Amino acid sequence: ILNVEQSPQSLHVQEGDSTNFTCSFPSSNFYALHWYRWETAKSPEALFVMTLNGDEKKKGRISATLNTKEGYSYLYIKGSQPEDSATYLCAFSNDYKLSFGAGTTVTVRA
Amino acid sequence: DGGITQSPKYLFRKEGQNVTLSCEQNLNHDAMYWYRQDPGQGLRLIYYSQIVNDFQKGDIAEGYSVSREKKESFPLTVTSAQKNPTAFYLCASSFSSGGGTEAFFGQGTRLTVV
Repeated sequence: ILNVEQSPQSLHVQEGDSTNFTCSFPSSNFYALHWYRWETAKSPEALFVMTLNGDEKKKGRISATLNTKEGYSYLYIKGSQPEDSATYLCAFSNDYKLSFGAGTTVTVRA
Repeated sequence: DGGITQSPKYLFRKEGQNVTLSCEQNLNHDAMYWYRQDPGQGLRLIYYSQIVNDFQKGDIAEGYSVSREKKESFPLTVTSAQKNPTAFYLCASSFSSGGGTEAFFGQGTRLTVV
């Protein structure tokens, strides 16, 4: 079983504030690291797929970084808005398996 | 519209009965996955398939079976051997195996065994 860990499990953010959270994964046999957003009553949707050490990706106010040598990725939300409230999942692939962490649930307070 | 469809959305079964969850995709994806989610936990991999007529066990395959006879379809059977079958089940697919492309998810099936 691949150990993919996300922290914190949940966090509350004031609207307009920025926040970030972590995904750690095995540093050996790395192939790709994914981030997904999962809103209530919807299906998870992909935010980023990163494959190279040092990768940085951005989509609007959300960005992610990747360190494959030490086995971690950060997801950043800049200027949080209520619509950013969701569970953010990271997933690690070392071959053909895609293994998920338990997620970080973000609640943005107006 | 292209997408991945799971049915039914809710399913109730009596203990001891086998039940099959449907997953169909029209995205022309090679890889398909089944995950299980329990309250307060993440997605755990049950089975995955890289190509038609081939599939591998994930981390929690005991008590489950799958088939991949067509590229579009990857049904999951929850057998009576699964000790705690009540859970939320998600199916996903991706263009290529190896995890290098994003996965697309169905809406999920919530199975309750009474």
